[in-house]
Amino acid sequence: LAKTTQPISMDSYEGQEVNITCSHNNIATNDYITWYQQFPSQGPRFIIQGYKTKVTNEVASLFIPADRKSSTLSLPRVSLSDTAVYYCLVARNTGGFKTIFGAGTRLFVKA
Amino acid sequence: GAGVSQSPSNKVTEKGKDVELRCDPISGHTALYWYRQRLGQGLEFLIYFQGNSAPDKSGLPSDRFSAERTGESVSTLTIQRTQQEDSAVYLCASSIRDGGYYEQYFGPGTRLTVT
Repeated sequence: LAKTTQPISMDSYEGQEVNITCSHNNIATNDYITWYQQFPSQGPRFIIQGYKTKVTNEVASLFIPADRKSSTLSLPRVSLSDTAVYYCLVARNTGGFKTIFGAGTRLFVKA
Repeated sequence: GAGVSQSPSNKVTEKGKDVELRCDPISGHTALYWYRQRLGQGLEFLIYFQGNSAPDKSGLPSDRFSAERTGESVSTLTIQRTQQEDSAVYLCASSIRDGGYYEQYFGPGTRLTVT
């Protein structure tokens, strides 16, 4: 599976939009981009997944350019409770592959 | 329905002792994963099970680590002769199928402390 690279940490203020970009240069045709969120002392939870263009749900938006070599997770108007670690994964839609979470991006939201 | 459960929630053990960690996945989930997370670090893949297929053990750090799964139900992760570097949170997750494409549901983890 394609290796992902994302910033180690980011700071923001309440009410701002936060964009976290992940690069996955070797993404394959069958790969989907998936993001998880992990709060302190909890296991990660799925927040969004996409293949191309834009996906939006009640939590976030995911922007994927045409070449799919990167993706951007967008969190609108963050609050203190969005302070968490965000993991970008590349996941194949066929079985037989383990999932690699990596170090993630630590987002700190300040008042 | 019930989520993924893990037990114990906390385990303190002496160096050299064996420990067994348990994971109960969501009913009907054929894939089950174990991860290790050291303090302040990301998730480290250990092993995953998919149905009756042979498990992918490629992430187990040493032969002191082993895991079993009974059919598509409970799994146990065993660490023999524990070392201080084994101290971490051990997370279990399950999904409808393997491959990462399918959403993984995580349990609360077992915090292991080796003294």
